[in-house]
Amino acid sequence: TQLLEQSPQFLSIQEGENLTVYCNSSSVFSSLQWYRQEPGEGPVLLVTVVTGGEVKKLKRLTFQFGDARKDSSLHITAAQPGDTGLYLCAGLYEGTYKYIFGTGTRLKVLA
Amino acid sequence: ETGVTQSPTHLIKTRGQQVTLRCSSQSGHNTVSWYQQALGQGPQFIFQYYREEENGRGNFPPRFSGLQFPNYSSELNVNALELDDSALYLCASSLLLGLAVPNEQFFGPGTRLTVL
Repeated sequence: TQLLEQSPQFLSIQEGENLTVYCNSSSVFSSLQWYRQEPGEGPVLLVTVVTGGEVKKLKRLTFQFGDARKDSSLHITAAQPGDTGLYLCAGLYEGTYKYIFGTGTRLKVLA
Repeated sequence: ETGVTQSPTHLIKTRGQQVTLRCSSQSGHNTVSWYQQALGQGPQFIFQYYREEENGRGNFPPRFSGLQFPNYSSELNVNALELDDSALYLCASSLLLGLAVPNEQFFGPGTRLTVL
């Protein structure tokens, strides 16, 4: 059972556009991670956020953890074809070792 | 530093058969987690092994079992295969530092299992 909902599920945009991907849950997480997965490969970690309200930047990618630690967003500025892939959020429940992955957002950036 | 490797890359089995998938952890890591990723979905947590002991399990039946060896490599065994078991199976190795302490998981490329 997926407890982390991502939206949108699919996104096809032109190079240079901005976009935001959302990750929502009814549960509180001790931390949340964002991964990108390309075809034929395993997910690769982009960032970990731990504190409610935390904002982290990775070049053109901005990640935010919700104040209540139940949701997160990923914003990409001036998307490039190299950003194409499956974006996954993964939450770590408090008091566990178990990561729960979101449903995924498949992004395609057209040149 | 050697990354996470998995074997085989692809596998075709028939319903009712048994399968063993293998994973070699990244050097220095003490934990292996296994995930099932159905087409178009996010990975689903199967179980985790820490120092050769099962350390947590997701919502999967007992016919999904695993092992972790002293060198921290791992196996995932699935008995009595069903059609719905067709998926990409991912293993991830990490260095577990404590309960609810975030750790970076390094994923292998996965094994694509098809059950006919």
